[in-house]
Formats: sequence, structure tokens, C-alpha cells
Amino acid sequence: KAGVTQTPRYLIKTRGQQVTLSCSPISGHRSVSWYQQTPGQGLQFLFEYFSETQRNKGNFPGRFSGRQFSNSRSEMNVSTLELGDSALYLCASREQKGGNTIYFGEGSWLTVV
Amino acid sequence: GQNIDQPTEMTATEGAIVQINCTYQTSGFNGLFWYQQHAGEAPTFLSYNVLDGLEEKGRFSSFLSRSKGYSYLLLKELQMKDSASYLCAVRDETDSWGKFQFGAGTQVVVTP
Repeated sequence: KAGVTQTPRYLIKTRGQQVTLSCSPISGHRSVSWYQQTPGQGLQFLFEYFSETQRNKGNFPGRFSGRQFSNSRSEMNVSTLELGDSALYLCASREQKGGNTIYFGEGSWLTVV
Repeated sequence: GQNIDQPTEMTATEGAIVQINCTYQTSGFNGLFWYQQHAGEAPTFLSYNVLDGLEEKGRFSSFLSRSKGYSYLLLKELQMKDSASYLCAVRDETDSWGKFQFGAGTQVVVTP
């Protein structure tokens, strides 16, 4: 069974631009969540989607948004990029809302210059 | 609010045992998880505790005391490849969606 797949793996953007990251969950997993990881703040929860609906949201500004498609694939978007948005963005999937373990993808390394 | 605390770094010798403690204060609780993360890689699942007691999985064991808000991960017979960051995470179930909250991670350095 393939794992969680994230694209792109690495990208460099300029301040003010926007970025879209993509995540394909493990086959059969319907829940997708997104995390931001930085050396100073650790792993921070962004949001979780299930059945194309956002079910939970972390404490991030509205510049961070996401969506989920009918095939459970998810995208997250960051608009008006700031230098502080440079981070590893991790996607994780689990089977359903009752699924107790989340499995991470390799992540997307975003650098904002 | 949520608070998950674990030590920043621990150093141990190859073949030794290391115990990583994690304390948590959360508004809801539905499971304590440990993940291992090597530098530049994604976190990988190690163990899960929802009831009090010890769960053993090969060289790794995890313990939970819900009344004390405390868990530990025990790594035995340390190998060089165990050098990594170990993340403690709590699944908060104040609602049915149970989001995960992570600690900052404990960097374990295994020396020869």
C-alpha cells in the first residue's frame, strides 16, 4: 500500500507570492491533516479535512487555507507569503475520524526569500 | 489549552537504555502517541497508549499514567540508528474529531 504522498518536495518562493501544496493520503484513508514544522515552534496543527469538509482548525491566520477533494486528496494554500512561513509542511492521513493513528508524508520544504 | 512537555535533548551510549519522559495537560484525552523523526525526514509512528500501563514493542516500550498526565518512551539496547528526535503527541477528543497536539520533541544522541 503506498504511503502518504506530498508534492512538491522542495520549493522556493518570494515574499508576497502564494503557494499550493498537494497531498494524496494512504489509499482508503479519508482524513487528511496538515502540520507546519519549524525549529522554533515544532509541529503545529494547521487543519484537518474529512469528506471534503474542514473538521478542525489550528491557530493560524486566514492566509493559510485548505481543501479536500472527493477522492480524499487535499491541497493547502498559503497566500501573501512571509519569511516566517519558511517551514516543513507535513500532511498526515488516517482512516476515519475514529482512526487512532496518523501517518505522515515526506513533507514539502518551503523556503520564502 | 494544551501543554505537552518533554526534554530537549538526551545523550546515551550505544547498547544503553534511555527513557524519554512526557507530561501533558490537555482539555481532552484519547490517546498518547510516540513518533520518531530522523533529520530531514517525516515522523514515523512508534507506539500508542490509551489505557494505563506499559506497551512493549521490541526494543521500544511506552508507558502511560492518565491520572498523572505522564508517559515515557523507553529505548533499550540503543543503536546508532536510534539517533533521532522523538515526538510525544496527545489526541485531544474534546470533540469527535480528536486533533493531535505534539510536543517539541526530544533529540536523542547515541554515541559509540
